[in-house]
Amino acid sequence: DGGITQSPKYLFRKEGQNVTLSCEQNLNHDAMYWYRQDPGQGLRLIYYSQIVNDFQKGDIAEGYSVSREKKESFPLTVTSAQKNPTAFYLCASSYLGTNYGYTFGSGTRLTVV
Amino acid sequence: AQSVTQPDIHITVSEGASLELRCNYSYGATPYLFWYVQSPGQGLQLLLKYFSGDTLVQGIKGFEAEFKRSQSSFNLRKPSVHWSDAAEYFCAVGLNRDDKIIFGKGTRLHILP
Repeated sequence: DGGITQSPKYLFRKEGQNVTLSCEQNLNHDAMYWYRQDPGQGLRLIYYSQIVNDFQKGDIAEGYSVSREKKESFPLTVTSAQKNPTAFYLCASSYLGTNYGYTFGSGTRLTVV
Repeated sequence: AQSVTQPDIHITVSEGASLELRCNYSYGATPYLFWYVQSPGQGLQLLLKYFSGDTLVQGIKGFEAEFKRSQSSFNLRKPSVHWSDAAEYFCAVGLNRDDKIIFGKGTRLHILP
């Protein structure tokens, strides 16, 4: 079945370490997105990519980095520069030219210890 | 600037009662409109979407939503809620086919037995 897979589901990181969250889709979607979710703040866009080897900053890109080397994959790195990285991270994907909506992964909960 | 407002942070209804979740958007033209649902610790699932045409749209799980241009609203309704409907609900807006979707901050629905 087609879908979008995020891994791992839970991730613990020590302060000062970088960590990479995985997002893979087999829906042949063009665009991919990373959101951060905190209680009471809804979804905030970190980065998005509409084509391979190209991506744009969202509203809260500071302290994060991404790559899009393959259409299917859009990993997110949370760097040590991110001051408050503990959050729930959601990856999504969509077709372009339709706005049929996004398909979401099941999320990764990152905790800094 | 484009925005989405969900005025109610929490709503509590009794099982079997009717439900209406409010959503207002700010945009000059008719946007693409969506409702998503999120169970705890999970990703978002698309309930329904509106692009054009009939202003009353049907979605999954017995939900419907009505687009009212004069009120810039897209309220979600269900005639009779079930305990399994307890979740967080997000309204979202897209300006055009290739634009990012902007999410409201969500409404958490609680169901009384």
